[in-house]
Amino acid sequence: GENVEQHPSTLSVQEGDSAVIKCTYSDSASNYFPWYKQELGKRPQLIIDIRSNVGEKKDQRIAVTLNKTAKHFSLHITETQPEDSAVYFCAAGTGWRGYSSASKIIFGSGTRLSIRP
Amino acid sequence: DAMVIQNPRYQVTQFGKPVTLSCSQTLNHNVMYWYQQKSSQAPKLLFHYYDKDFNNEADTPDNFQSRRPNTSFCFLDIRSPGLGDAAMYLCATSRDKEGHSTDTQYFGPGTRLTVL
Repeated sequence: GENVEQHPSTLSVQEGDSAVIKCTYSDSASNYFPWYKQELGKRPQLIIDIRSNVGEKKDQRIAVTLNKTAKHFSLHITETQPEDSAVYFCAAGTGWRGYSSASKIIFGSGTRLSIRP
Repeated sequence: DAMVIQNPRYQVTQFGKPVTLSCSQTLNHNVMYWYQQKSSQAPKLLFHYYDKDFNNEADTPDNFQSRRPNTSFCFLDIRSPGLGDAAMYLCATSRDKEGHSTDTQYFGPGTRLTVL
């Protein structure tokens, strides 16, 4: 079945350094790759997403890269700050599946990112 | 300006006592999802509605049911909660268009369910 693997499960970086989280997916039909940030007790919040017709996307300190051939995508956070501490989930989505059934996203297992002051 | 609202935010129930969680949205999205999220785990999709059509995940227990009386509202019914059903329940919505790729899912704040 469809599967998304995410690494590492925990990551600790010094404030100001960069953090990289990597994901691989199994379904070659996947065409949408969102990244969610979840703080303790709160909802997952979309921070950036990329679609399969794009190789890289950047939004201020956050960037995502996609390699469709290798079926992997990565999140890069530069100049990390204490407020970046959270759990980050990657996900892979497949498009419209036909009448009456919506697209779904499959989540990775999450990365707990800690920023050391 | 809340877009996806869940009530209640915290729910305590007794073992075996039915409970209903609610979700409403102001986005007029045609798809509504229910996820279960346990501590330190990823959200797990239980089922979703595409308009009025219900889609169950293969591994969702029969104990979990859902209703969508109109576009704005969706309910999660747990018929006989067990201790293992204690979790955060997240509602999400999206606007799915025929022939188009996956659209963004917007999550509600969640309902944390405690089973005593």
